[in-house]
Amino acid sequence: QQQVKQSPQSLIVQKGGISIINCAYENTAFDYFPWYQQFPGKGPALLIAIRPDVSEKKEGRFTISFNKSAKQFSLHIMDSQPGDSATYFCAASFSNTGNQFYFGTGTSLTVIP
Amino acid sequence: DAGVTQSPTHLIKTRGQQVTLRCSPISGHKSVSWYQQVLGQGPQFIFQYYEKEERGRGNFPDRFSARQFPNYSSELNVNALLLGDSALYLCASSLDVFGTEAFFGQGTRLTVV
Repeated sequence: QQQVKQSPQSLIVQKGGISIINCAYENTAFDYFPWYQQFPGKGPALLIAIRPDVSEKKEGRFTISFNKSAKQFSLHIMDSQPGDSATYFCAASFSNTGNQFYFGTGTSLTVIP
Repeated sequence: DAGVTQSPTHLIKTRGQQVTLRCSPISGHKSVSWYQQVLGQGPQFIFQYYEKEERGRGNFPDRFSARQFPNYSSELNVNALLLGDSALYLCASSLDVFGTEAFFGQGTRLTVV
């Protein structure tokens, strides 16, 4: 059973546009939701994370929106840049289990200049 | 400061062989987790170790084992390799067993032929 479902599988956005990636989770006991960015040949790097006590978190051009009742969360990348072209993974975990994450299947983002 | 380091970076093994992958966490980090990332998929949790003890295990067969050493480095062993074990193996470290801010290494690319 896929604990975290991610969409779309791939996304093409014009430079300066908004990239939106969506995730849905099954287990209501999850209480930590990070987003990771992965470039080819590299390990995932933590981008931004949220806990379910807030509905939105913003760091620079990256925003997480969280809807607890719908069990959904999304990543918005404002003013998308070619350097943002990478694969993005959402994840979920129980905070008492530390770095044991359930990852989504990933979204390949391409930002066209 | 050095990040999470993994060795080797690439490895080719034959079906039925055994392999050992190594991970050194960020200095001061005591928790290490291992993930398997099949091409085009999100990472899947294999093991978490903290203070040399296993703290979590994912849905992987007993052919997979791991251990953590007093200096907090870790090894992942896979016996009786199958073609399906071909993947990128990632190590993540965090401060302690509850540390959700996890930092990943660049991974070991294992190819089984």
